[in-house]
Amino acid sequence: QQQVKQSPQSLIVQKGGISIINCAYENTAFDYFPWYQQFPGKGPALLIAIRPDVSEKKEGRFTISFNKSAKLFSLHIMDSQPGDSATYFCAARGGGSNYKLTFGKGTLLTVNP
Amino acid sequence: EAGVAQSPRYKIIEKRQSVAFWCNPISGHATLYWYQQILGQGPKLLIQFQNNGVVDDSQLPKDRFSAERLKGVDSTLKIQPAKLEDSAVYLCASSSPRGGITGELFFGEGSRLTVL
Repeated sequence: QQQVKQSPQSLIVQKGGISIINCAYENTAFDYFPWYQQFPGKGPALLIAIRPDVSEKKEGRFTISFNKSAKLFSLHIMDSQPGDSATYFCAARGGGSNYKLTFGKGTLLTVNP
Repeated sequence: EAGVAQSPRYKIIEKRQSVAFWCNPISGHATLYWYQQILGQGPKLLIQFQNNGVVDDSQLPKDRFSAERLKGVDSTLKIQPAKLEDSAVYLCASSSPRGGITGELFFGEGSRLTVL
C-alpha cells in the first residue's frame, strides 16, 4: 500500500529554471510533511518541511506548497542549479507517538548547465 | 558533531549466506531507525528503536531479519539467510527527542548489500 505517491519519477531542467515535484497522500492522520534530498552514495538529508496548518513555506530557493483539502503537496526549486541535481523524496509522518515516516518513491532531478 | 556511522559500506554475499550491519547513531539520539532502500525506490522502515526498546517492527521480515540495540546506543541489523531480493542499501538513521517531533531524521551513508 503506497500511502505517498510522488511524481514525476525523473525531471530534467535547465539551469535557472523552476523544478516542481508533486506528492499526494491518502492518510489524513499524517501531521508533518518533510522533503529529503539525496546525493549518490549518501544518505537522505532533510531539505525543508511543512505542517498541514500552513499552505506554504519558503526557505531560500526552496518552497513547499500544501493543499490540505486535495491532500497534495509540492516542492518548487526556483533558479535551479546544477548542484541541485539529486534525488528528492517527499515523506509524511503518521500521527501518533512513533513519528513513523513514509517516503515517496523519489524524483531524480537533473539540472543541465 | 559526528554523524551517523555505518559499516560496512559495501557487502557482496551469496544467497543463503548471512550478513550483519552496524550503526552508531549521533550521540544523545534516543531513536534509531533501520530503513531498506531498494534501487529506484524510497526508503522503507524496517525497525524503529526508542532507546533499546522496539517501537515499530511491523515491516521487518522476522523470518530472516533481526535487529538489536543493546545499551540503547549502537545497533546491529542481521539478515540470515539472505535472498536475492534483499539486495538494497540499508540506511540507519537517528533522531533526538525534539527531532522526532519535527520529523528530522539524520541518516548515515548506508550499507549497500548485493546478494548473488
